[in-house]
Amino acid sequence: DTGVSQDPRHKITKRGQNVTFRCDPISEHNRLYWYRQTLGQGPEFLTYFQNEAQLEKSRLLSDRFSAERPKGSFSTLEIQRTEQGDSAMYLCASRTSGGHNEQFFGPGTRLTVL
Amino acid sequence: GQQLNQSPQSMFIQEGEDVSMNCTSSSIFNTWLWYKQDPGEGPVLLIALYKAGELTSNGRLTAQFGITRKDSFLNISASIPSDVGIYFCAGGTRTSGTYKYIFGTGTRLKVLA
Repeated sequence: DTGVSQDPRHKITKRGQNVTFRCDPISEHNRLYWYRQTLGQGPEFLTYFQNEAQLEKSRLLSDRFSAERPKGSFSTLEIQRTEQGDSAMYLCASRTSGGHNEQFFGPGTRLTVL
Repeated sequence: GQQLNQSPQSMFIQEGEDVSMNCTSSSIFNTWLWYKQDPGEGPVLLIALYKAGELTSNGRLTAQFGITRKDSFLNISASIPSDVGIYFCAGGTRTSGTYKYIFGTGTRLKVLA
């Protein structure tokens, strides 16, 4: 197992365009999280999946943001009509169910909105 | 969004020195995680703590889960240049059926050779 992977690693887009990011969690990790991280800050929770069910969304996730995990494996995060304020690192993390609550991150997708 | 308080915000140390940093909160957590993040990369898990008072080591790193469950500490002994990076704490707890983590603001470590 190679850990959590994210694609693309970098994305530059013009304001108003739509972007989609993909996350592949560690195999058999049924919990998946999306975070946003801006410069000088720690990761901030965006949304959480247990299998294919999206169980919680942060207030940070405006209606321009949507996330899916259709088969309970990989997940996508889409941002519609991007704004300059969306520029950030988007991080995906996964963990298994059960007693241990260790959460493992992917390398992130750096989004720059021009 | 909510972030935990980490101290110090940044520190410059000489190679070989020991480093201490801490994370405090007004909320109680069931899990404390410590991560290191290099520029342009995702955070890498260093140590996980599960019980109040627990002391856990990983090589030169030692972390403790505070007795009150509202804080945690990370120590790095005999620092080396590759310890440079940003260290984040994360407190985990179940709220409204979801297990969530709240991250600290980070401690930026620079090691002078």
